[in-house]
Amino acid sequence: QQQVKQSPQSLIVQKGGISIINCAYENTAFDYFPWYQQFPGKGPALLIAIRPDVSEKKEGRFTISFNKSAKQFSLHIMDSQPGDSATYFCAASSGTSYGKLTFGQGTILTVHP
Amino acid sequence: EPEVTQTPSHQVTQMGQEVILRCVPISNHLYFYWYRQILGQKVEFLVSFYNNEISEKSEIFDDQFSVERPDGSNFTLKIRSTKLEDSAMYFCASSEDLVTDTQYFGPGTRLTVL
Repeated sequence: QQQVKQSPQSLIVQKGGISIINCAYENTAFDYFPWYQQFPGKGPALLIAIRPDVSEKKEGRFTISFNKSAKQFSLHIMDSQPGDSATYFCAASSGTSYGKLTFGQGTILTVHP
Repeated sequence: EPEVTQTPSHQVTQMGQEVILRCVPISNHLYFYWYRQILGQKVEFLVSFYNNEISEKSEIFDDQFSVERPDGSNFTLKIRSTKLEDSAMYFCASSEDLVTDTQYFGPGTRLTVL
């Protein structure tokens, strides 16, 4: 019940295209859903996050869509760029878990020029 | 911009040896975390720490693991007797509080147990 399932495992997109990564969760106590970006040899860096009181959040080219009833959330990267090539992790936490983040399996995104 | 730092970047040790991984969280942060990432796998929570106490720990964080904030700036993870399966990337993270929830991760320490 603590798992967060992420798909796809890998994604190849042409420059300028839209990248879409999906996550699903079971634990209804989760109330914070961040997306992290990780480059090789680096630690995860927060990209964008959402709470369940809104269905969408947009920051620049990055948008989170959140469907509370389906217990799913997704990351959309518009106008994907080669510099976006990285591993993306969705995560979730609940207010009762002292900040413990439960991560998805990760998606390796490759954006071809 | 403030950042979390970790030392060493790479630690090689023999099975059964003790290792201490060090982290300097962002200075005004109050909550500290350790995560690990086995090569090619997802990031896994180990432990959270607040007010000099463990707040929560995972099933991975058994008696071989301990954490400490020995002074006002460092946060350490000790593995008492390393096993081959402890080989992983260990990330320290910190957050200002639980309300904002943003955790800032360090660059990690790659631990290799031979």
